[in-house]
Amino acid sequence: DADVTQTPRNRITKTGKRIMLECSQTKGHDRMYWYRQDPGLGLRLIYYSFDVKDINKGEISDGYSVSRQAQAKFSLSLESAIPNQTALYFCATSDFTASGSIVEQFFGPGTRLTVL
Amino acid sequence: AQKVTQAQTEISVVEKEDVTLDCVYETRDTTYYLFWYKQPPSGELVFLIRRNSFDEQNEISGRYSWNFQKSTSSFNFTITASQVVDSAVYFCALIEDNFNKFYFGSGTKLNVKP
Repeated sequence: DADVTQTPRNRITKTGKRIMLECSQTKGHDRMYWYRQDPGLGLRLIYYSFDVKDINKGEISDGYSVSRQAQAKFSLSLESAIPNQTALYFCATSDFTASGSIVEQFFGPGTRLTVL
Repeated sequence: AQKVTQAQTEISVVEKEDVTLDCVYETRDTTYYLFWYKQPPSGELVFLIRRNSFDEQNEISGRYSWNFQKSTSSFNFTITASQVVDSAVYFCALIEDNFNKFYFGSGTKLNVKP
């Protein structure tokens, strides 16, 4: 089974609809992230969380909200979707090694969202 | 200013050619980590390598090699004898010593033609 899962994998919705993207992880990592990917722009950070009580805005948080329901779950919501939120969304986790080094980010498979 | 710059938007090579993907980063921290990820056409992000700022030793893994040079703030990635399966978008990333955010470059799309 995948360590980081995202649901749904694909979603088509209409302008103004509320939509939630869910992310679950079995890696036991405290740190979780949401990114969006647009062609030519790489990955842009939307929100990140270091534990269930710690939520931080990334560079493009406007129009999005998140919920960290548990260590393993981090959801991204679009309260009122608009067409320019059409993108590929990735959830990721990370943590520290026992020696204090940062580990790489582990990414989910992505959710392709289309807002009509 | 961009913390990670991948100036090559797209590169096309013929199979068996060597190709180098450039990555230039910007940080004032002495402790940081650099990464490379591969995103094949299927869309998932595949981790390739992590390097910390105290280890400038170049690394080779099969046909892949990485050249880390702090003097030029570069962490370049070379694929030797490229294959069609290497066709993907490659991302370079940086995390600084606060270990809060990963900064990604905009990616380089590599097309390897048969």
